[in-house]
Amino acid sequence: GAVVSQHPSRVICKSGTSVKIECRSLDFQATTMFWYRQFPKQSLMLMATSNEGSKATYEQGVEKDKFLINHASLTLSTLTVTSAHPEDSSFYICSAQHPRHTEAFFGQGTRLTVV
Amino acid sequence: QKEVEQNSGPLSVPEGAIASLNCTYSDRGSQSFFWYRQYSGKSPELIMSIYSNGDKEDGRFTAQLNKASQYVSLLIRDSQPSDSATYLCAVNNQAGTALIFGKGTTLSVSS
Repeated sequence: GAVVSQHPSRVICKSGTSVKIECRSLDFQATTMFWYRQFPKQSLMLMATSNEGSKATYEQGVEKDKFLINHASLTLSTLTVTSAHPEDSSFYICSAQHPRHTEAFFGQGTRLTVV
Repeated sequence: QKEVEQNSGPLSVPEGAIASLNCTYSDRGSQSFFWYRQYSGKSPELIMSIYSNGDKEDGRFTAQLNKASQYVSLLIRDSQPSDSATYLCAVNNQAGTALIFGKGTTLSVSS
């Protein structure tokens, strides 16, 4: 199967600090990864599409300077939430596109709490 | 704007009954359709995928797709309390593009 690992699973940080979330495809190479955010009782909202070796494509309304995405290798994409504020508290989920499957495979998610 | 619509529920069914979950989508170019199950605080897990009109069965689950009506459904037979979760409908228009999710339907199966 296709395994995507996301780390950390939970993080609590102080307001104004930055947090980095990692998304790794463990047994396949992913040229494309996706970052979603999910608020309580809401659906997954696409934040950005991360392409290996190029700049991420951000969805409308997502601040690219606040949510920094780096996809430096075919197995790793990172999302850095800069100068986090309490309203950034959410469940962040990554997914990776397998080259031979139509469906995307999800990481375990990261619960971010900004205090 | 591409949209995926689902009834939020909750949908309550007794154990052993059939649960029927529905989804409509706005983009006629959509080619791939997925049902994910999400437990509270967890990441979504894939239940079913369907790509052509008709029915697709996998164990207790049956996905139905009608592209003309832009409608996709999921039937869960012999519902179990462990099926209680939020079911997310997702579509995309080609491989490598992001999934567009509905808001999800919360299913509650009572024993």
